[in-house]
Amino acid sequence: NAGVTQTPKFQVLKTGQSMTLQCAQDMNHEYMSWYRQDPGMGLRLIHYSVGAGITDQGEVPNGYNVSRSTTEDFPLRLLSAAPSQTSVYFCASSYAGFTYEQYFGPGTRLTVT
Amino acid sequence: SQQGEEDPQALSIQEGENATMNCSYKTSINNLQWYRQNSGRGLVHLILIRSNEREKHSGRLRVTLDTSKKSSSLLITASRAADTASYFCATVPKAAGNKLTFGGGTRVLVKP
Repeated sequence: NAGVTQTPKFQVLKTGQSMTLQCAQDMNHEYMSWYRQDPGMGLRLIHYSVGAGITDQGEVPNGYNVSRSTTEDFPLRLLSAAPSQTSVYFCASSYAGFTYEQYFGPGTRLTVT
Repeated sequence: SQQGEEDPQALSIQEGENATMNCSYKTSINNLQWYRQNSGRGLVHLILIRSNEREKHSGRLRVTLDTSKKSSSLLITASRAADTASYFCATVPKAAGNKLTFGGGTRVLVKP
């Protein structure tokens, strides 16, 4: 199993550009989530999904959109990138929710200039 | 504000020594999880301890939980250079819709 995969690994955007960060898992997990990691802040939850067709907001959802059309994929969209969105983004999945072990992808390092 | 706060923020030890880091949190929890992050990589789950458990072991790792003090500790015994990483505690509060909340982490450097 590949586990949780994320693409791209690195991305540089100009302010106002849009892009989609891809996340996929092959463990048939129902729960998937997106976090951002900033220096000294730990990880903060952006959006999460409890199954295909169901998404909800986390702690810092503004500026990001998600959808979940399949169990395997959970893309994160930045509609109009801002320098404040410069961060490392991690996707995670779990069997049955936040009270269970989370499996993380390798991350996407995004820089917005 | 963050639910979990790790202490110390950074720790430097010699190979073979033990490393202890602490996590304090603010509200009642369902469980507490510890994760390791090697530089430039994703997080890896180490141990999950439930609110009704006081101690758990996994190999060279020992985790304790004191719900009366709202704190947890992670002990790494006989450390190795490969243990060099950042360690994060994460809590699932009983409130706030059971979402996982991470602390800022402890950076551990194990010198050979």
